[in-house]
Amino acid sequence: DAGVTQSPTHLIKTRGQQVTLRCSPKSGHDTVSWYQQALGQGPQFIFQYYEEEERQRGNFPDRFSGHQFPNYSSELNVNALLLGDSALYLCASSLPGLATGDEQFFGPGTRLTVL
Amino acid sequence: KQEVTQIPAALSVPEGENLVLNCSFTDSAIYNLQWFRQDPGKGLTSLLLIQSSQREQTSGRLNASLDKSSGRSTLYIAASQPGDSATYLCAVWYSGGGADGLTFGKGTHLIIQP
Repeated sequence: DAGVTQSPTHLIKTRGQQVTLRCSPKSGHDTVSWYQQALGQGPQFIFQYYEEEERQRGNFPDRFSGHQFPNYSSELNVNALLLGDSALYLCASSLPGLATGDEQFFGPGTRLTVL
Repeated sequence: KQEVTQIPAALSVPEGENLVLNCSFTDSAIYNLQWFRQDPGKGLTSLLLIQSSQREQTSGRLNASLDKSSGRSTLYIAASQPGDSATYLCAVWYSGGGADGLTFGKGTHLIIQP
């Protein structure tokens, strides 16, 4: 049973560029959430996708956008990269549910460095 | 706004000791509380999930308790081993409205000395 997978593992971009990160949820899961973890901090919630729609969103600017595909995989897009966007980006999946707080299973993350 | 605090920020103990990590949250309106382990530069591994109606959960040498009324949780690790060295994160799923998702503390960096 494959867990949550993310690609790429590492990514280096320059300021102003755009980046796309990818996530495949754990088998049987249909809800995907994205988190940003800066060095030495706890992860912060970016948004959650369910049934191909953004269901909830944290305190992140519109430069952060996402998409969920019919197979439940998801992408996180970040436009106009800033140095402060450098972080570990984590994807989490959970069983079908709406605002029930199901157990979250996390992937290994994508380390984004913005120069 | 829900806030999660973890104390201590760092802890170093000899192998074999029992230890307690603390987590507090400001709003008792939660669906659940989840404890995670994170190794350097890696993703999060779920250790224990406590639903809001539960008081504790156990898995092997780990025991987590939840006191919703006081906004506190503890993670007890028995007979610590060097392999337990990692950062431990506490997170709550707030049910009070607003942004969904988990709210995390900054973690406790644990070192078990051989």
